[in-house]
Amino acid sequence: AQSVSQHNHHVILSEAASLELGCNYSYGGTVNLFWYVQYPGQHLQLLLKYFSGDPLVKGIKGFEAEFIKSKFSFNLRKPSVQWSDTAEYFCAVNAGNAGNMLTFGGGTRLMVKP
Amino acid sequence: EPEVTQTPSHQVTQMGQEVILRCVPISNHLYFYWYRQILGQKVEFLVSFYNNEISEKSEIFDDQFSVERPDGSNFTLKIRSTKLEDSAMYFCASSPQGDYGYTFGSGTRLTVV
Repeated sequence: AQSVSQHNHHVILSEAASLELGCNYSYGGTVNLFWYVQYPGQHLQLLLKYFSGDPLVKGIKGFEAEFIKSKFSFNLRKPSVQWSDTAEYFCAVNAGNAGNMLTFGGGTRLMVKP
Repeated sequence: EPEVTQTPSHQVTQMGQEVILRCVPISNHLYFYWYRQILGQKVEFLVSFYNNEISEKSEIFDDQFSVERPDGSNFTLKIRSTKLEDSAMYFCASSPQGDYGYTFGSGTRLTVV
């Protein structure tokens, strides 16, 4: 069965710092990749997704992610974070043999200090 | 922007009782899902539903669980006899097609006492 790892459980940054959150998955076939964000007290919202094509994907709110197939990674980046980016971030994978099911990573809690 | 609506936002129930969690997916979506997140753990897939039947389910989704789309707009998750370990946040989601990013609801926090 596929698994998704997010190695950073908690990240604390100051405003304007650059962000990179790691995501690795364990499936060798075709995958669809997602990043979701959950702001305090709110629901999971889709930040960006990758299905095929350009491995550098741009999402909402200035986020982007790069799919590196050889590394089984889909890291999330933002050049300059804001206090309003404080949230929990989840990487999720839909593997080609898993129907519609998403497998989530454990999440990374980001705190941005003003 | 269309939303997935879940009710109630918080449900407290006694062990052994039946609970029904309700969801109203986005109206033109075809696939419906339930996920759960036990406090401090990962978001876990429970079940997907398409064309009025279960298309996939996880090992968690045992005989105590059932789903229904009773009236073409609601999508419900029933737990027949709740256990303490069923305490979790339950998320409903829908998607227009099976492999697109889902739209999640805001969740129902179920507490079994």
